[in-house]
Amino acid sequence: RKEVEQDPGPFNVPEGATVAFNCTYSNSASQSFFWYRQDCRKEPKLLMSVYSSGNEDGRFTAQLNRASQYISLLIRDSKLSDSATYLCVVNGGSNYKLTFGKGTLLTVNP
Amino acid sequence: GAVVSQHPSRVICKSGTSVKIECRSLDFQATTMFWYRQFPKQSLMLMATSNEGSKATYEQGVEKDKFLINHASLTLSTLTVTSAHPEDSSFYICSASSGLAGGHEQYFGPGTRLTVT
Repeated sequence: RKEVEQDPGPFNVPEGATVAFNCTYSNSASQSFFWYRQDCRKEPKLLMSVYSSGNEDGRFTAQLNRASQYISLLIRDSKLSDSATYLCVVNGGSNYKLTFGKGTLLTVNP
Repeated sequence: GAVVSQHPSRVICKSGTSVKIECRSLDFQATTMFWYRQFPKQSLMLMATSNEGSKATYEQGVEKDKFLINHASLTLSTLTVTSAHPEDSSFYICSASSGLAGGHEQYFGPGTRLTVT
């Protein structure tokens, strides 16, 4: 099982659609979870941290289920500018290293 | 805040030469810096972790004599690719964290695209 596994995508959605990304992780000792976005040929940028209680930032909602080792990201009312690759990132338990999923490419169409 | 710069953004070099990439945290002190490599359509792969003033910790399969890392200050880390070969062509990205332990977000530099001819 891969350390961090994401929907392979790609996702193509119209503007205004709601889109959900799913991610699973294998290390049950993982402590911190993040969603990053990466634009083509650019560096990853932190979108949001993911907390056990779930958290929301505007149109973005992240959920964490530790029992299932599952993380999700929901984007509501998607915009053209949301087009990017979304990376699920997990901190590996007792160490400080981040493990990245392969990413899911989202294209929002006009 | 949390701005990380990298230089150069793009470099083309001949096989056998060495290339140095700089990573700077501009508005915070980075106790730990990380170096990643990303091949096309692949995820970021951690190459090494460096803490200021100590030797870098390399991931399995990464040659420490080929990828020299120096973290001389709390705001600067350098990666030198020695005797570069075409297979070293990749997108090299650094990140910096202000915390010593896990759980702290990492902030990424804009990356350096290396092409070895």
